Amino acid sequence: NAGVTQTPKFQVLKTGQSMTLQCAQDMNHNSMYWYRQDPGMGLRLIYYSASEGTTDKGEVPNGYNVSRLNKREFSLRLESAAPSQTSVYFCASIEERGFFGPGTRLTVL
Amino acid sequence: RKEVEQDPGPFNVPEGATVAFNCTYSNSASQSFFWYRQDCRKEPKLLMSVYSSGNEDGRFTAQLNRASQYISLLIRDSKLSDSATYLCAVVFTGFQKLVFGTGTRLLVSP
Repeated sequence: NAGVTQTPKFQVLKTGQSMTLQCAQDMNHNSMYWYRQDPGMGLRLIYYSASEGTTDKGEVPNGYNVSRLNKREFSLRLESAAPSQTSVYFCASIEERGFFGPGTRLTVL
Repeated sequence: RKEVEQDPGPFNVPEGATVAFNCTYSNSASQSFFWYRQDCRKEPKLLMSVYSSGNEDGRFTAQLNRASQYISLLIRDSKLSDSATYLCAVVFTGFQKLVFGTGTRLLVSP
């Protein structure tokens, strides 16, 4: 039972490049979330998916897109990365209890 | 006003002390409440859910006050290993949106 897995763990991008952060959970949870965490800012919600087939914007959705591919997978895409998107990204899966992935440390130069 | 607010601390306490954190939330229709613990550069881990009647897990006690819209976490007999950031989280009714506070940093010293 892996819980929540995220890939990649680290990534360096140049401004304007695109990438997709992958997240998968094996707990059959309905709700999945993407957060970013910056020093002194706490966890800020980017997008979430309350169930398969639905996605909603969180607090800071600009510059991101998401896709709930199926019940297990919820991906986050940066179409044109900017230095302001340098952050640690966490995926979470919640159903009564919440579990986080290990995070992706992204640097945009 | 932020949806979920916490005092960022840090709270500096000696080993063995009792320490309490509060967290306020703005939406009275909030349905679920949690406390998470986060160690430096690691992912948050669920410490405990918070139930209406209050609940206890060893040295940790969580309480919910719906009238005043806050939850609290009490840590008794603090250990060095309790040093971490404690995050409160709230699920808002009808949307399944899970929102976190900015976290309260706890430092327990010998």
